[in-house]
Amino acid sequence: SQQGEEDPQALSIQEGENATMNCSYKTSINNLQWYRQNSGRGLVHLILIRSNEREKHSGRLRVTLDTSKKSSSLLITASRAADTASYFCATFPYGGSQGNLIFGKGTKLSVKP
Amino acid sequence: NAGVTQTPKFQVLKTGQSMTLQCAQDMNHNSMYWYRQDPGMGLRLIYYSASEGTTDKGEVPNGYNVSRLNKREFSLRLESAAPSQTSVYFCASSDAFGDLKEKLFFGSGTQLSVL
Repeated sequence: SQQGEEDPQALSIQEGENATMNCSYKTSINNLQWYRQNSGRGLVHLILIRSNEREKHSGRLRVTLDTSKKSSSLLITASRAADTASYFCATFPYGGSQGNLIFGKGTKLSVKP
Repeated sequence: NAGVTQTPKFQVLKTGQSMTLQCAQDMNHNSMYWYRQDPGMGLRLIYYSASEGTTDKGEVPNGYNVSRLNKREFSLRLESAAPSQTSVYFCASSDAFGDLKEKLFFGSGTQLSVL
């Protein structure tokens, strides 16, 4: 029961450029989260945005949420080689409880030095 | 502060063998989860435990059992491994209360191959 779908599936950019990844979902949500996964490692939480928020920043990360379009975007500014990883959006549905977080299939980002 | 610790990191099984994946967290979290990650499929929830003493099925529970041994530990058992269970398994935990109760903390994973 995939809820979030990331786009594009893969993205390759040069160091210093900005990277934008998008996530679309189907049902009403309580919040949407973005996670990063380096190769061979577990997922690391990056940022959480609630349904009543439209934009959130954390360092070089900017997340937007458009609940009318059921979509979110993650922008990484001034990318670095160390940002090379897979990025997943995860949605927590409205009225959900523990165990209801649903992950998308991810965007694989490659940042070339 | 170790966070979420999974053992083993790698395992190879023959079809029909059994094994238990161990997970422990030291963050005093109430909720714990087991996910599997397959290429092109993202993460899918196998089982979760909202609190000590409770367990619930996730999206793909068939072929697995779990035990919430205490607040810290949540194990995943494959009674009779099948090739379809070849995957990377992740344990995660979260706090049950507070502003970020939906935020998950992940272990580093167990890569399991079933031949």
